[in-house]
Amino acid sequence: AQSVTQLGSHVSVSEGALVLLRCNYSSSVPPYLFWYVQYPNQGLQLLLKYTSAATLVKGINGFEAEFKKSETSFHLTKPSAHMSDAAEYFCAVRSPGGTDKLIFGTGTRLQVFP
Amino acid sequence: GAGVSQSPRYKVTKRGQDVALRCDPISGHVSLYWYRQALGQGPEFLTYFNYEAQQDKSGLPNDRFSAERPEGSISTLTIQRTEQRDSAMYRCASSLELNTEAFFGQGTRLTVV
Repeated sequence: AQSVTQLGSHVSVSEGALVLLRCNYSSSVPPYLFWYVQYPNQGLQLLLKYTSAATLVKGINGFEAEFKKSETSFHLTKPSAHMSDAAEYFCAVRSPGGTDKLIFGTGTRLQVFP
Repeated sequence: GAGVSQSPRYKVTKRGQDVALRCDPISGHVSLYWYRQALGQGPEFLTYFNYEAQQDKSGLPNDRFSAERPEGSISTLTIQRTEQRDSAMYRCASSLELNTEAFFGQGTRLTVV
């Protein structure tokens, strides 16, 4: 069975500070991993995905994530936070093949202070 | 359409009533998914369609929940005899085909009173 764990339901940073949102996965097969962002009153939007190519994945809005097999982690980072980054972020895992269903973590709400 | 459209956006219903939630996927998208998201949780998989075929319904919590996609486009998620525990955000997503990006709609927030 596959699962993801997001450490920290709330993260607060100052504008311009480093953003680090943590995600650890559990999978019996090489996983496909995703980060989604949810802005208020909007649908989930894909930020980036790892599908067994390069371990450092760059996404939209300056976000990136690194797949570390030894640590079973896929943490999301951004060097400098903007006020517009305030949102809820979800890590998800998908089993290659099958029905492509996504298994989501519980989410991390990012607050950015001026 | 330009994106995945769900209706209604908000639904308040009395316990025991049936509700039908609609999802209109992006035109041409073969794959369609339903997820449920409780407050403070991540989305939880309910069911999946490939064209009109329901290929995975392992996430449907019980037999009060059903879904259909009769013509391989619009899908309806039906909840019979609603209960308060059914209150959640119901999200639909579609993708062009397997192994491609899933696009999510804005969701339907269901409240059972």
